[in-house]
Amino acid sequence: DIQMTQSPSSLSASVGDRVTITCRASQSISRSLNWYQQSPGKAPSLLIYAASSLQSGVPSRFSGSGSGTDFTLTISSLQPEDFASYYCQQTYSGPWTFGQGTKVDI
Amino acid sequence: QVQLQESGPGLVQPSQTLSLTCTVSGGSISSGGYYWSWIRQHPGKGLEWIGHIYHSGNTYYNPSLKSRLSISEDPIKNQFSLKMSSVTAADTAVYYCARVPYTNGWEGVDYWGQGTLVTVSS
Repeated sequence: DIQMTQSPSSLSASVGDRVTITCRASQSISRSLNWYQQSPGKAPSLLIYAASSLQSGVPSRFSGSGSGTDFTLTISSLQPEDFASYYCQQTYSGPWTFGQGTKVDI
Repeated sequence: QVQLQESGPGLVQPSQTLSLTCTVSGGSISSGGYYWSWIRQHPGKGLEWIGHIYHSGNTYYNPSLKSRLSISEDPIKNQFSLKMSSVTAADTAVYYCARVPYTNGWEGVDYWGQGTLVTVSS
């Protein structure tokens, strides 16, 4: 299985901050990398697919970059509704695997 | 607007079979271009891919669970289902059904069910 490692596991930030979360794959996954946001008690929701494509309806403050093994999710200006957990996922080869998550709190 | 809804028992006895159904509305599971999937999340933990089915009936199962899994579809009812046999407490989790589009590649889960907690306990 391809292992996905996110860093940091948690971070504290303030409204307006620029936040960066990284995800590293144990082998090259080209650009087959997705990012999700999950609020407590809710299903995850797709933010970014194929490393850098913004899912329809997602605010433009979210952006993704990277290819190969190293990827980044950036929130340009953190909003109150962005305090949540974030997961990366590879869909390069089965089984599709997720990172362990990054919790963003105040 | 596509909607997915899981249904099934919230409590399963150890060694028994977990059975869940996902009812899809707002779109047909028989239309091409989508993989219909099951994902679970252990309490307070991360996400685990269980498997998926394509409208042709082709399935993919996570190798770590494959020997206990069966995913099937019912195009008439616009549903797909998960069966997991010989469950233990380690299978206690929130189970999600989900849709994954495929165009030039798999694009991530664009629609999720709300999730259903399944507890394995006697």
